[in-house]
Amino acid sequence: GDSVTQMEGPVTLSEEAFLTINCTYTATGYPSLFWYVQYPGEGLQLLLKATKADDKGSNKGFEATYRKETTSFHLEKGSVQVSDSAVYFCALNYGGSQGNLIFGKGTKLSVKP
Amino acid sequence: GAVVSQHPSRVICKSGTSVKIECRSLDFQATTMFWYRQFPKQSLMLMATSNEGSKATYEQGVEKDKFLINHASLTLSTLTVTSAHPEDSSFYICSARRSRGASATNEKLFFGSGTQLSVL
Repeated sequence: GDSVTQMEGPVTLSEEAFLTINCTYTATGYPSLFWYVQYPGEGLQLLLKATKADDKGSNKGFEATYRKETTSFHLEKGSVQVSDSAVYFCALNYGGSQGNLIFGKGTKLSVKP
Repeated sequence: GAVVSQHPSRVICKSGTSVKIECRSLDFQATTMFWYRQFPKQSLMLMATSNEGSKATYEQGVEKDKFLINHASLTLSTLTVTSAHPEDSSFYICSARRSRGASATNEKLFFGSGTQLSVL
C-alpha cells in the first residue's frame, strides 16, 4: 500500500543552520504531497504542498520539490530559527483533497540559539 | 484563521472506562471531520471519517463499536473510546475540513492540537 517514510528525529540544529528533512514515498498512482508542521501545544498546520511532479512548494522560507524519479519530497530551509522548532510531518494523498492523508512518523526539530 | 479546538488535551483513565474526546470547529462549519491516531514512534494513522448527519466511515482494522464517532452538528464531532484498555493508549488528533465551493483545491484542513490518552 501507499506509505511515507521520513527521517528519524530528533534533529537538533543551531540557529541559521541549513535544514533538510528527508521524505520518500511509495504510491501506486500520482499523489499530492504535503508537509505539515506542529508547533508545541498546537494543531498540525499545512506548511506547503505540491500536486504534481517537479512542482515546488514553498512557505515561510521552507521549500520542497516533488521528485517523481526519486519518489521524494525533501523539506529544506536555508537558515533555521529558534521559532522553527516543531514536529514536521510529510504526507500524501490523491486528488488534491486534503482528506484521507497518509502521514510519515514525524520528525522533531529543535533549533538552539 | 480557522481554529479547531480539541478537548481534553490529556486524559488518564482506568482500564474499562470510556473516554470522550471532542473536536470543535470554532469559526467555520465542517461537514467532514477526520480522526487520527498515533502510537509512539509510529505514523499518524487515519481511523475514521466523520460526516455530519450520517454514520462515520472507518478504516480497515478500526473497531467501530470500540471507537464511537458522533458528528451531530456542523461544528462538533466526538470520539468515544469505549471500555478503554492500555493498548488504546495513544495520541488522538482530529481535523476538520472547510470547503469553499465544489472544488477540492479550495478546501482546507484544520487540525486540533491532539489528545494524549493514557489507560492504566
